[in-house]
Amino acid sequence: GAGVSQSPSNKVTEKGKDVELRCDPISGHTALYWYRQSLGQGLEFLIYFQGNSAPDKSGLPSDRFSAERTGGSVSTLTIQRTQQEDSAVYLCASSLGLAPLNEQFFGPGTRLTVL
Amino acid sequence: GIQVEQSPPDLILQEGANSTLRCNFSDSVNNLQWFHQNPWGQLINLFYIPSGTKQNGRLSATTVATERYSLLYISSSQTTDSGVYFCAVPRVGGGADGLTFGKGTHLIIQP
Repeated sequence: GAGVSQSPSNKVTEKGKDVELRCDPISGHTALYWYRQSLGQGLEFLIYFQGNSAPDKSGLPSDRFSAERTGGSVSTLTIQRTQQEDSAVYLCASSLGLAPLNEQFFGPGTRLTVL
Repeated sequence: GIQVEQSPPDLILQEGANSTLRCNFSDSVNNLQWFHQNPWGQLINLFYIPSGTKQNGRLSATTVATERYSLLYISSSQTTDSGVYFCAVPRVGGGADGLTFGKGTHLIIQP
């Protein structure tokens, strides 16, 4: 089937606006992960879902970030009151399950630019 | 948390050369992945290799979990092999969590 898809591919927004990023995992994958990649910080883990549940939200950079997953499939990452330091590529990944079925496959990313 | 170090950070080779990329990690893991990030930013899965050796065409990887390192071998390199190579291990050693990535090896293959 299709791989992980993300939308939009690019998003330019003004400082202070809210943005919503979407991830469609591979069909049948129960685990879903969000990461971001920026020049200064490399690839950093944000949050993961097993089904619709996110057991650990400590990787989210601030309380302006939130994520949800409904129906065990699509997930959205919301950033409120965006700041320039939020500019990065946001990557989503999915896996069949947790360990040992946890080989992760990544989507193409959403490039977020905050002006 | 677990630390991942990759070496070398940069590598420039001529087409046809062989290379070895190294990944060291600071704690026991039961999962390790190697990725190639192409010039368009897509992360492509190369190997899922908690231990042992795997081969896929010109690429092979070996993980020695007891000594906390993994090696990625690229033979007869081609210009399309250029890009950044990342290794990643579970943030929590047991594997039920997101990945911690190394900073990557930036490989340039010159024609």
